[in-house]
Amino acid sequence: QKEVEQDPGPLSVPEGAIVSLNCTYSNSAFQYFMWYRQYSRKGPELLMYTYSSGNKEDGRFTAQVDKSSKYISLFIRDSQPSDSATYLCAMRAVVGSARQLTFGSGTQLTVLP
Amino acid sequence: NAGVTQTPKFRVLKTGQSMTLLCAQDMNHEYMYWYRQDPGMGLRLIHYSVGEGTTAKGEVPDGYNVSRLKKQNFLLGLESAAPSQTSVYFCASSWRLNTEAFFGQGTRLTVV
Repeated sequence: QKEVEQDPGPLSVPEGAIVSLNCTYSNSAFQYFMWYRQYSRKGPELLMYTYSSGNKEDGRFTAQVDKSSKYISLFIRDSQPSDSATYLCAMRAVVGSARQLTFGSGTQLTVLP
Repeated sequence: NAGVTQTPKFRVLKTGQSMTLLCAQDMNHEYMYWYRQDPGMGLRLIHYSVGEGTTAKGEVPDGYNVSRLKKQNFLLGLESAAPSQTSVYFCASSWRLNTEAFFGQGTRLTVV
């Protein structure tokens, strides 16, 4: 079983919808959590970076971490066609063998005009 | 400001051939990384560097070598390419270790 699980989708939503993207993980040592956006045939770009539990908001994006459930989410409000991309979660521990990032396999999102 | 630049963008190799992928960053970052991305596998770390003259193994280092002779450049070498190394390769850099912030555009490598 992978340490980080992410539903590959594809996920299609109408423009303006609220999108919820999720990852689950098994390593309780993970404390840093990231979300990346990757457009087709491009490199990933870092969207959100959070430490430990709680919420973090940046414009239309909100990252949520629930360490007790080993579950992280990325919410996109008022989704736009330009949000169509693959979203990757990534996470790591502070110390020990899991200090390097472990990535989910990505969720493909399409926002329909 | 170019960020992270990878060359080449595409390459086809025959089994057993060698090649070097070049990564250059202009942000003065200490930390640089090489990843491969395969369908359904996510990004997997091959090698990384914590500064000029240093390299370290990641999750999948076998069959690859790296060098960081200059702070701005990180080279990934394949000495004897195998079909299993067909993948998309990404270089990344960051100001903090294990917080990959900037990725290059990728190199699509096919080994036949």
